[in-house]
Amino acid sequence: AQTVTQSQPEMSVQEAETVTLSCTYDTSESDYYLFWYKQPPSRQMILVIRQEAYKQQNATENRFSVNFQKAAKSFSLKISDSQLGDAAMYFCARGATNKLIFGTGTLLAVQP
Amino acid sequence: DAGVIQSPRHEVTEMGQEVTLRCKPISGHDYLFWYRQTMMRGLELLIYFNNNVPIDDSGMPEDRFSAKMPNASFSTLKIQPSEPRDSAVYFCASSRLAGDLFFTDTQYFGPGTRLTVL
Repeated sequence: AQTVTQSQPEMSVQEAETVTLSCTYDTSESDYYLFWYKQPPSRQMILVIRQEAYKQQNATENRFSVNFQKAAKSFSLKISDSQLGDAAMYFCARGATNKLIFGTGTLLAVQP
Repeated sequence: DAGVIQSPRHEVTEMGQEVTLRCKPISGHDYLFWYRQTMMRGLELLIYFNNNVPIDDSGMPEDRFSAKMPNASFSTLKIQPSEPRDSAVYFCASSRLAGDLFFTDTQYFGPGTRLTVL
């Protein structure tokens, strides 16, 4: 089965500190996309960052960056200078042909 | 762009009633997806369309659920009759093909419809 695993159900970080959320996945495909989505209490699913598997360079979006290890099938999200507004559920997802396969999510709390 | 638009944002209905959820995808996107999110089952893909044609409806839970896409800018998800276990947040998302690749690029989600069936 093609799965996406987020092994940390909950994480906590102090404001202004850095936190890393982990994600591993299974696939037999060579080309695919990986995504991190954020879901705050409003329930809106917001794209945080996207990685193209055929690119070796790790994607970066302001305070958000990824550590993509294709051979290890690992795709972690690093949030630098954490802010109170970063508190949310974070979902890792892999694009599989025309579908998204989601992990079970990591609930991130940001402590002031 | 206005993003993916869903209506209503909240729906409360009684068991046995028909419920219709609506979605307007981002203009130019030719893929549309319907998801359901619950605490127990997480995010589930129900069905997706390409160029208004249903491609994969294997996630539709049962015959009480139906989805249509009469044109490129509108889709509906209907539940008839509704049951309490249908209570969930229903998301619509849209995307387009990823350049020269044979799969879709980023899916953009609407705000969701929170359905409560009493």
